[in-house]
Amino acid sequence: GQNIDQPTEMTATEGAIVQINCTYQTSGFNGLFWYQQHAGEAPTFLSYNVLDGLEEKGRFSSFLSRSKGYSYLLLKELQMKDSASYLCAVMDSNYQLIWGAGTKLIIKP
Amino acid sequence: DAMVIQNPRYQVTQFGKPVTLSCSQTLNHNVMYWYQQKSSQAPKLLFHYYDKDFNNEADTPDNFQSRRPNTSFCFLDIRSPGLGDAAMYLCATSRESVDRVGNEQFFGPGTRLTVL
Repeated sequence: GQNIDQPTEMTATEGAIVQINCTYQTSGFNGLFWYQQHAGEAPTFLSYNVLDGLEEKGRFSSFLSRSKGYSYLLLKELQMKDSASYLCAVMDSNYQLIWGAGTKLIIKP
Repeated sequence: DAMVIQNPRYQVTQFGKPVTLSCSQTLNHNVMYWYQQKSSQAPKLLFHYYDKDFNNEADTPDNFQSRRPNTSFCFLDIRSPGLGDAAMYLCATSRESVDRVGNEQFFGPGTRLTVL
């Protein structure tokens, strides 16, 4: 079966750095997405990786290793507004998104 | 601004009473999706339309139906809502390019359905 694993919850301090990991097992691979979802709101797109390596976008970076079936989202200079769930999703060979359950990130002052 | 709009934002219905959720988009995207998301769970794909081609996920219950009368609009019909259907329903769109990769999905704000 297809599976996306990410931690259920993480806690970090304002101003610090946090890394949210995602491992996947899917039938085929056409890219990996990270989305941010605030409580009660819709997911919003953060990043897309299809080649190995690091993609940097402001305070957020995303890394991919296809051979390991592994990605991480790195958030720097954490702000209180970064408190949200972060969802990892992989596009499989049928171009369908397989979603993880999300990692709830709690930021403490 | 180009966007995905869902109405209503909150819907309350009674057990077994049919309900229709609507989604419209001004992005002119050719693909539209309906997801069901329960608290602390991954979004679950119910249907998607690639242009007018309807694609039903294998495990989507028959209780759920969908219509896409034109490019801009898509509807989700729940024929006989049960307590287990209480969830957030998310509509999303994407523009499929020739190679069909890297196309992010744009989500509407969702409709939170309560079943009494």
